[in-house]
Amino acid sequence: GAVVSQHPSWVICKSGTSVKIECRSLDFQATTMFWYRQFPKQSLMLMATSNEGSKATYEQGVEKDKFLINHASLTLSTLTVTSAHPEDSSFYICSARDSLAGGLYEQFFGPGTRLTVL
Amino acid sequence: GQNIDQPTEMTATEGAIVQINCTYQTSGFNGLFWYQQHAGEAPTFLSYNVLDGLEEKGRFSSFLSRSKGYSYLLLKELQMKDSASYLCAIENSGNTPLVFGKGTRLSVIA
Repeated sequence: GAVVSQHPSWVICKSGTSVKIECRSLDFQATTMFWYRQFPKQSLMLMATSNEGSKATYEQGVEKDKFLINHASLTLSTLTVTSAHPEDSSFYICSARDSLAGGLYEQFFGPGTRLTVL
Repeated sequence: GQNIDQPTEMTATEGAIVQINCTYQTSGFNGLFWYQQHAGEAPTFLSYNVLDGLEEKGRFSSFLSRSKGYSYLLLKELQMKDSASYLCAIENSGNTPLVFGKGTRLSVIA
């Protein structure tokens, strides 16, 4: 199957700093990537849909000025958590979409990035 | 709106069979996915169903009834490594993201 990588896999930062997370599709082109956040023992919550060459679409309640998304190429999307605070500590997962037979678009997930804000 | 329901937790014995149910309400339904997620890791794809019926893949099978808004994931010959969360996700028509249920935490005991 298709491979999606994320970097870094984990990061610890001080409150007030910014953190950039990269998501790459390694062996396919992804016009659409998705960013999720997952708190302990909870399900994945979609934060935003990232479209190559255009602005991201954010879900209700997600601050677009705090979570900056850039999808500059067909294989790379970045999520920048600006002025991070302890409540932003979470597991951030990206996924990229590839096509399947029958018109279904399977989402392949990156390994996730665990962010801890002190 | 849309809604996906799964049991929160299940426990089963090694070697046994377990069925994890998922019910959903949505408009523009296109297909249903099952993912497995171990603690601290990203979800991995298990199966997808577009048409009614059973899809079998080794020890795992998934069933879909579109008219009833119902799916289940069947795990046979359970192994300890099957202890994980199992996420039901629906895809609606158009280039829209998957919508995930809250997941079912399965514990396999000896």
